Amino acid sequence: GDSVTQMEGPVTLSEEACLTINCTYTATGYPSLFWYVQYPGEGLQLLLKATKADDKGSNKGFEATYRKETTSFHLEKGSVQVSDSAVYFCALSEDTGRRALTFGSGTRLQVQP
Amino acid sequence: ETGVTQTPRHLVMGMTNKKSLKCEQHLGHNAMYWYKQSAKKPLELMFVYNFKEQTENNSVPSRFSPECPNSSHLFLHLHTLQPEDSALYLCASSDQNQETQYFGPGTRLLVL
Repeated sequence: GDSVTQMEGPVTLSEEACLTINCTYTATGYPSLFWYVQYPGEGLQLLLKATKADDKGSNKGFEATYRKETTSFHLEKGSVQVSDSAVYFCALSEDTGRRALTFGSGTRLQVQP
Repeated sequence: ETGVTQTPRHLVMGMTNKKSLKCEQHLGHNAMYWYKQSAKKPLELMFVYNFKEQTENNSVPSRFSPECPNSSHLFLHLHTLQPEDSALYLCASSDQNQETQYFGPGTRLLVL
């Protein structure tokens, strides 16, 4: 079945450092890919998405590019802030009409001032 | 209110209790979902409802019983739970033409 693998956390960075959180996937078709963020005590919020190969999703300074050749969707940000501290989830949605998401295990990011 | 709301936000219950979790979406969506989030595990899909009909049950034990009376409301009835059922239960909704799911804040459940 489909699966999503994320790098283990926690990731601890200083403010203004560069961020990369790796995500790779396994899917039989052509899934859509998502990054969700969960701030402490809250539910998941959509951060960005990409629906086909070579698409780049971006939001709030975060970016991720759908790489079919490497089955990856790595999350990047050039300069993180303390307010970016959260858990980040990579997810995919199959293209079969079944709309449920398959999530990775999440990566906790801690940004220190 | 806007978005997806869930009540209660926190719940403590004994193994013999019966309780219900409520989810309401104000987005005009027609699909709703229950997920379970346990520590150090990926989110687990539990149930999917589409136009009030259950379209997916991901091998969830019968002590969890969902109910979807209309497209805006989703319940999860809990009965005779086990301590390992303690988790954050997240509700989500989506439109049939979109893949993006919108999540509520979750109910943090502790089973004693």
